[in-house]
Amino acid sequence: AQSVTQLDSQVPVFEEAPVELRCNYSSSVSVYLFWYVQYPNQGLQLLLKYLSGSTLVKGINGFEAEFNKSQTSFHLRKPSVHISDTAEYFCAVAQRGDDKIIFGKGTRLHILP
Amino acid sequence: DGGITQSPKYLFRKEGQNVTLSCEQNLNHDAMYWYRQDPGQGLRLIYYSQIVNDFQKGDIAEGYSVSREKKESFPLTVTSAQKNPTAFYLCASSIGETTNTEAFFGQGTRLTVV
Repeated sequence: AQSVTQLDSQVPVFEEAPVELRCNYSSSVSVYLFWYVQYPNQGLQLLLKYLSGSTLVKGINGFEAEFNKSQTSFHLRKPSVHISDTAEYFCAVAQRGDDKIIFGKGTRLHILP
Repeated sequence: DGGITQSPKYLFRKEGQNVTLSCEQNLNHDAMYWYRQDPGQGLRLIYYSQIVNDFQKGDIAEGYSVSREKKESFPLTVTSAQKNPTAFYLCASSIGETTNTEAFFGQGTRLTVV
């Protein structure tokens, strides 16, 4: 069965600094990978997804992620964060041929002024 | 506008009572999901359905039940057997058919047992 590990439960970062949120997955077959963002008391919104092709994926709000098959990772990056990026971020994985989507425990991004 | 509607947004339940959370989508998606969210635990899969009249247990199905009589609707019943039901519940849908694109989420229902 697939699983997702988000290595940091909270990440503080100064405004305009770069950030990386880490995600590792485990699966015996090929996968689809996703990053979602959640603002307080709301549902989740898709930031970006990797289905196939180029391993560098660009998403909304200036975020990007890189799929690394050998390290089974899908880390999320942004070169310069803004106060509006304060939210919780979730990495998710789905195995090809299976509609079940499994989420990590989330990483809270705190932007410091 | 296409999307997923969860209702109600807030729900209070007395201990020992069953309660049903509504989830409706007009995206023509085949697959639908229910997740439970607790602080520090991420999203945990309760049930999912890939097609009408069929559904599978997720990782934490005990104390919950679902039905999928229509493509658009996937209600979740929290039964009195669920020992700790207070949580934020999220419904989602995706195109399905094993071509897995992203899941689209509703705004959630916050259930509180009083």
